[in-house]
Amino acid sequence: SQKIEQNSEALNIQEGKTATLTCNYTNYSPAYLQWYRQDPGRGPVFLLLIRENEKEKRKERLKVTFDTTLKQSLFHITASQPADSATYLCALDGPNSGYALNFGKGTSLLVTP
Amino acid sequence: DVKVTQSSRYLVKRTGEKVFLECVQDMDHENMFWYRQDPGLGLRLIYFSYDVKMKEKGDIPEGYSVSREKKERFSLILESASTNQTSMYLCATAIFGDEQYFGPGTRLTVT
Repeated sequence: SQKIEQNSEALNIQEGKTATLTCNYTNYSPAYLQWYRQDPGRGPVFLLLIRENEKEKRKERLKVTFDTTLKQSLFHITASQPADSATYLCALDGPNSGYALNFGKGTSLLVTP
Repeated sequence: DVKVTQSSRYLVKRTGEKVFLECVQDMDHENMFWYRQDPGLGLRLIYFSYDVKMKEKGDIPEGYSVSREKKERFSLILESASTNQTSMYLCATAIFGDEQYFGPGTRLTVT
């Protein structure tokens, strides 16, 4: 079955640095991959979608890469700010579930001043 | 802006009660989803629907049912609540193959 792995350990970085989060997957070739942000007690909020034929996508300070050979996506936040502190989830379209998504467990990011 | 609302933010029910969680969206999206989120387990798909009166089981449908009588409304039903259904429940909507829009979540406690 499809497996999605994100770093379970929290990532602590200093304000102004670039945060890099990893999402690895196995047993499937997704048509697209998405990244979400989730704050405590709230629903996830969509950030970026990247399709299998795209290698990189950017949105303001965010950048996502998608390597279908390595089965890996990297999510970068440049010039990080304390307000970027949250849990970040990656999600893939499921092989058997139509347009439903399979989510990773998320990586917690803490940006300190 | 897409708005997805859920009927309650917090809910406390007793074991054996029938529980209704309602989700309403205002963007005419075809697809609607119910997830539950638990610490260490992440988001897991319970049921989804791609059209009125259509439903598909997700990864963990046992103990749940759903109803979609109108396009904008998707209800999750716990037929007989149990303590292991204590969780955060999240509803989401989407156009085909695009990003999902989530509601604020309902934190359900079953005692």
